Amino acid sequence: GAGVSQSPRYKVAKRGQDVALRCDPISGHVSLFWYQQALGQGPEFLTYFQNEAQLDKSGLPSDRFFAERPEGSVSTLKIQRTQQEDSAVYLCASSLAIVKDNEQFFGPGTRLTVL
Amino acid sequence: SQQGEEDPQALSIQEGENATMNCSYKTSINNLQWYRQNSGRGLVHLILIRSNEREKHSGRLRVTLDTSKKSSSLLITASRAADTASYFCATSGSARQLTFGSGTQLTVLP
Repeated sequence: GAGVSQSPRYKVAKRGQDVALRCDPISGHVSLFWYQQALGQGPEFLTYFQNEAQLDKSGLPSDRFFAERPEGSVSTLKIQRTQQEDSAVYLCASSLAIVKDNEQFFGPGTRLTVL
Repeated sequence: SQQGEEDPQALSIQEGENATMNCSYKTSINNLQWYRQNSGRGLVHLILIRSNEREKHSGRLRVTLDTSKKSSSLLITASRAADTASYFCATSGSARQLTFGSGTQLTVLP
């Protein structure tokens, strides 16, 4: 079946603009994760959903970042009043269930550039 | 913050040679996973090793784990040009999210 999809693939925003990034997880996957990957670095955790519940948002860098998954499927990561330091690739991942062996399936990412 | 370091940061080898990448981490884990990322793409899961395992094989991949040293290594045998990518280790502990290392950029020259 289809993998994790993300849109848009590329987004250019002017500083101060709001952006919304979408993630479509694999159908039936309970868990959904957002990560931020700066250039040349490994991904860093932002937030985690189990179904529609946001169980961990400890990685969100500021209150300008907001994520939701209202029906337990598609998720949106919103960044308000974007800053240049928000430029990064935003990766979404999903996994089937809360299991000990936590294999996550990643989408292609959205590359955000803030000018 | 990153869980730990990977070394080398960059590795360049000839096709057919073996490539070894190392990963160190800081906290206790349930398992350690290796992912590959091609330029401009998402991460692809390669292999998972549990904390009670010491070695695991999958095709041309061999992973070792030493929990006493909090380190792991990934060996890719008989490398191919298509193996050119960034490789990341990621640990899974009590929290659900993965904690990634800083990655190794592997270049396999034809």
